[in-house]
Amino acid sequence: DIVMTQTPLSLSVTPGQPASISCKSSQSLLHSDGKTYLYWYLQKPGQSPQLLIYEVSSRFSGVPDRFSGSGSGTDFTLKISRVEAEDVGVYYCMQGIHLRTFGQGTKVEIK
Amino acid sequence: EVQLVESGGVVVQPGGSLRLSCAASGFTFDDYAMHWVRQAPGKGLEWVSLISWDGGSTYYADSVKGRFTISRDNSKNSLYLQMNSLRAEDTALYYCAKDTHDYGDYGAFDIWGQGTMVTVSS
Repeated sequence: DIVMTQTPLSLSVTPGQPASISCKSSQSLLHSDGKTYLYWYLQKPGQSPQLLIYEVSSRFSGVPDRFSGSGSGTDFTLKISRVEAEDVGVYYCMQGIHLRTFGQGTKVEIK
Repeated sequence: EVQLVESGGVVVQPGGSLRLSCAASGFTFDDYAMHWVRQAPGKGLEWVSLISWDGGSTYYADSVKGRFTISRDNSKNSLYLQMNSLRAEDTALYYCAKDTHDYGDYGAFDIWGQGTMVTVSS
């Protein structure tokens, strides 16, 4: 089974400042089709998760451009260029190359 | 409006059974694979099961294999999860989620329901 490890597990950010979350997989998420199946989700308080980023770096429909994803192979990063109050919640990475596995989640709060 | 609505969550005794349902609307249900994902109280997300667009392929997390069965009825735009031999550790909010692909290989979950709560307790 593929294990997904996120760091940090919590983050307190001043509005307008950047934030970064790391996600590492125990196996490469690069498929023979050339795509890398790494996704990012945000679960806002009291809500269902929502898709932010698919295939490492593509923003899902309606996701603000302050969110960006990067990485390759087994190491990935989600960056928020300028954190806003509405960005609070728990961020999860998920691998999609072999069934599905989520990271433990990173809780982002505003200072 | 694209929507998934789960139902069927209740309090059940250990060893008991339960069937969850997920009603889909606003998209062509039989074009996409579907998943169940659960979240124990105060915990993170755990993928549970996947079914392909036609029901021909199903997959399970090791934690539920042999106890849970995923199925779908495309004529009713509905997804199901039959849960048997329930344990305390199955207590969670159960979400259904739509895959972006038909067979469920590699796709993201672009639509989520609001979840239905299952509590396993005596």
